[in-house]
Amino acid sequence: SQQGEEDPQALSIQEGENATMNCSYKTSINNLQWYRQNSGRGLVHLILIRSNEREKHSGRLRVTLDTSKKSSSLLITASRAADTASYFCATTPQGQNFVFGPGTRLSVLP
Amino acid sequence: GAGVSQSPSNKVTEKGKDVELRCDPISGHTALYWYRQRLGQGLEFLIYFQGNSAPDKSGLPSDRFSAERTGESVSTLTIQRTQQEDSAVYLCASSTPPLSTIYFGEGSWLTVV
Repeated sequence: SQQGEEDPQALSIQEGENATMNCSYKTSINNLQWYRQNSGRGLVHLILIRSNEREKHSGRLRVTLDTSKKSSSLLITASRAADTASYFCATTPQGQNFVFGPGTRLSVLP
Repeated sequence: GAGVSQSPSNKVTEKGKDVELRCDPISGHTALYWYRQRLGQGLEFLIYFQGNSAPDKSGLPSDRFSAERTGESVSTLTIQRTQQEDSAVYLCASSTPPLSTIYFGEGSWLTVV
């Protein structure tokens, strides 16, 4: 498996429900970031969490980081149809460049 | 500029032709990245430029792929003798300082027929 691997690969929920996506990685990191991509175009940065942080919030987003388990989770609360997108985590192993996981495709049904 | 700009947005080319994809990063960003994304897949790292350091080319899939960047400005990704398997979105991103938040362009859709 690769550095920065999300699960599930696909997630389908009803509007108003919470969506949780997970990311696992292999090597030590400086930080971990979550990105969103609509329709195969450019990715948009959502949130960055540093290796010495455990939890971070931004609006309806909540990110946790467990460096002992080498994992992170992204929680989207009170989901909306507009949240339908692919979500990627990115890590910086070896401090060189970003490595992205294969992503989680989220579908929020109205 | 205000954001990362890529051109062309879409390119259809015949197998065997060469293509050039251009990326104009955010002004002042020292780091520039190229990624490839095949349909329905994740991002595949291609190459990373940081200032005047030697680029990290470890992700380039074959010697048909090359990229250049002059200083901290425009970068060009060149694919020679294109193959159908090269069909993908090519995404460029920039950041400063390196390893901080990276900002993506909208990508260049390449279709090789």
